[in-house]
Amino acid sequence: DGGITQSPKYLFRKEGQNVTLSCEQNLNHDAMYWYRQDPGQGLRLIYYSQIVNDFQKGDIAEGYSVSREKKESFPLTVTSAQKNPTAFYLCASSESPPGELFFGEGSRLTVL
Amino acid sequence: DQQVKQNSPSLSVQEGRISILNCDYTNSMFDYFLWYKKYPAEGPTFLISISSIKDKNEDGRFTVFLNKSAKHLSLHIVPSQPGDSAVYFCAAKRGDTDKLIFGTGTRLQVFP
Repeated sequence: DGGITQSPKYLFRKEGQNVTLSCEQNLNHDAMYWYRQDPGQGLRLIYYSQIVNDFQKGDIAEGYSVSREKKESFPLTVTSAQKNPTAFYLCASSESPPGELFFGEGSRLTVL
Repeated sequence: DQQVKQNSPSLSVQEGRISILNCDYTNSMFDYFLWYKKYPAEGPTFLISISSIKDKNEDGRFTVFLNKSAKHLSLHIVPSQPGDSAVYFCAAKRGDTDKLIFGTGTRLQVFP
């Protein structure tokens, strides 16, 4: 079945460690996105990529990094520079230009 | 600066009645609006959308209304069912960007 796969679903990290969240899609979509959800704040855009080997910062990119070496993959690295990394992270993809975004199941990161 | 606002964090409705979820936006350049439904620990799923050239779009029990002069849109669910209990996000975009801006969400509870 076509869709977006995020892994891991749950992740625990010690302070000071980098962690990479995986996002893979087999929908043949050009554009991919990373959002973060915090209670009471909705979904905030971290990074997005409209095409392979290109990506742009979203509204809250500080402390995060991404790569887009393949059309199907858009991994997100949460670095130790991110002040409040504990959150629910959502990856999405869409045709470009986008109408509807298709979301993965999400990854919950907890920093201990 | 919150460009898309959902001022009601929660809404409780009896089964069979109408649910009305509201969303306001500030950017007059937005020309496409979407509603997403989200269950806990899952990714959002697309519900319904509307282009700025329309003022109404209907899909089964779901109808979205757009009032451009008031910069307001609403989602009507009728009749409401217990399975509709979820968090609903509205989102908006401008035609010349690939970014979707999300509201903070409204938690709908439909009780028997």
